[in-house]
Amino acid sequence: QQQVKQSPQSLIVQKGGISIINCAYENTAFDYFPWYQQFPGKGPALLIAIRPDVSEKKEGRFTISFNKSAKQFSLHIMDSQPGDSATYFCAASMSDYKLSFGAGTTVTVRA
Amino acid sequence: DAGVIQSPRHEVTEMGQEVTLRCKPISGHNSLFWYRQTMMRGLELLIYFNNNVPIDDSGMPEDRFSAKMPNASFSTLKIQPSEPRDSAVYFCASSVRVGGTEAFFGQGTRLTVV
Repeated sequence: QQQVKQSPQSLIVQKGGISIINCAYENTAFDYFPWYQQFPGKGPALLIAIRPDVSEKKEGRFTISFNKSAKQFSLHIMDSQPGDSATYFCAASMSDYKLSFGAGTTVTVRA
Repeated sequence: DAGVIQSPRHEVTEMGQEVTLRCKPISGHNSLFWYRQTMMRGLELLIYFNNNVPIDDSGMPEDRFSAKMPNASFSTLKIQPSEPRDSAVYFCASSVRVGGTEAFFGQGTRLTVV
């Protein structure tokens, strides 16, 4: 079964808007939470990652929010651009071993 | 660096035939992973090598699948005999870290078994 549950399956946002993708996990031993971005015909590429000792990490327009007590983490894409249209995967691993991926969210940014 | 290189990019084969997918990891990366991506099951880890040694092959679906890493710069994933349900995109990824955090993925091989 999927160890990381991701939602929504897809979302559409206007250019300049905020895209929010949520993930939840059960295994409290997970200690590394990356997000991957995948364009059609390409492999997933590491976008941003967080460890549970911080509640938020920001890189440019991309922010991860992490809630350890709720076992949830989310990706916020600020000022969404058409070039951000892609499929986004959350993932989790423990002790730097064996990533478990969410099902993916297809983001479409309308100009 | 050219990144993780996979070949072929596309493969169409008939049911029952042997298929071999190839991967060249990023130089200096000592962890290598084979993933399979389908609409139904998403991204699944098939097998993980560290320093050319298979560490975890629990994701390999059945005996028809095998993987080798004869040296640090080359790995193969073989399916024999292939079946239509093996149709998927197969990704190879490598990481400088043990275990796969900060893994870099190749462009994938789209396999179609007819």
